[in-house]
Amino acid sequence: DGGITQSPKYLFRKEGQNVTLSCEQNLNHDAMYWYRQDPGQGLRLIYYSQIVNDFQKGDIAEGYSVSREKKESFPLTVTSAQKNPTAFYLCASSIEFAGGHNNEQFFGPGTRLTVL
Amino acid sequence: KQEVTQIPAALSVPEGENLVLNCSFTDSAIYNLQWFRQDPGKGLTSLLLIQSSQREQTSGRLNASLDKSSGRSTLYIAASQPGDSATYLCAVTSMNRDDKIIFGKGTRLHILP
Repeated sequence: DGGITQSPKYLFRKEGQNVTLSCEQNLNHDAMYWYRQDPGQGLRLIYYSQIVNDFQKGDIAEGYSVSREKKESFPLTVTSAQKNPTAFYLCASSIEFAGGHNNEQFFGPGTRLTVL
Repeated sequence: KQEVTQIPAALSVPEGENLVLNCSFTDSAIYNLQWFRQDPGKGLTSLLLIQSSQREQTSGRLNASLDKSSGRSTLYIAASQPGDSATYLCAVTSMNRDDKIIFGKGTRLHILP
């Protein structure tokens, strides 16, 4: 089955710790995205990658980092510099980056991060 | 600046009724518009994508329309069922925001059995 997987489903972090959220896709998509969702707010873009070995900051990149060493994988690290990290994190992919005709987004199941 | 608005934020409808969800956007320079469904605690499921050159798309009981010049889209759900209860989000790919996708906050739909 083709799709996007995220792990873990739930993650708890202590103050001052870095944590890494996993996102893997087997859809052969070039573009991948990380969003943050908070209650009462729309999805906000953290980072995106148009192609392997490339990534750009989104609207709220401070306190986060990413890598794109493989086409299938786009892990997100939430660093201790992120002041309010408790949120629902969603990973998505599309055949190509937004702006083309193949940017229909497909989402993973999400990771809920809670800071203790 | 592109903004996407969905009104109302929540809607309750008796089972079996037809209903319309609304999405408006401030900048008509878009590549496409996408409708999603989100169940509580889950990821988003793509329902329909309408390219800027299209007027509507249909999938089963769902029909989405796009009026780019007026900055509006509607999602029509026919013969609603309790399983349709979810949050519905729309998103536009904006030409004037570095091709980024801008999401509305969603409409939370509850179908009453």
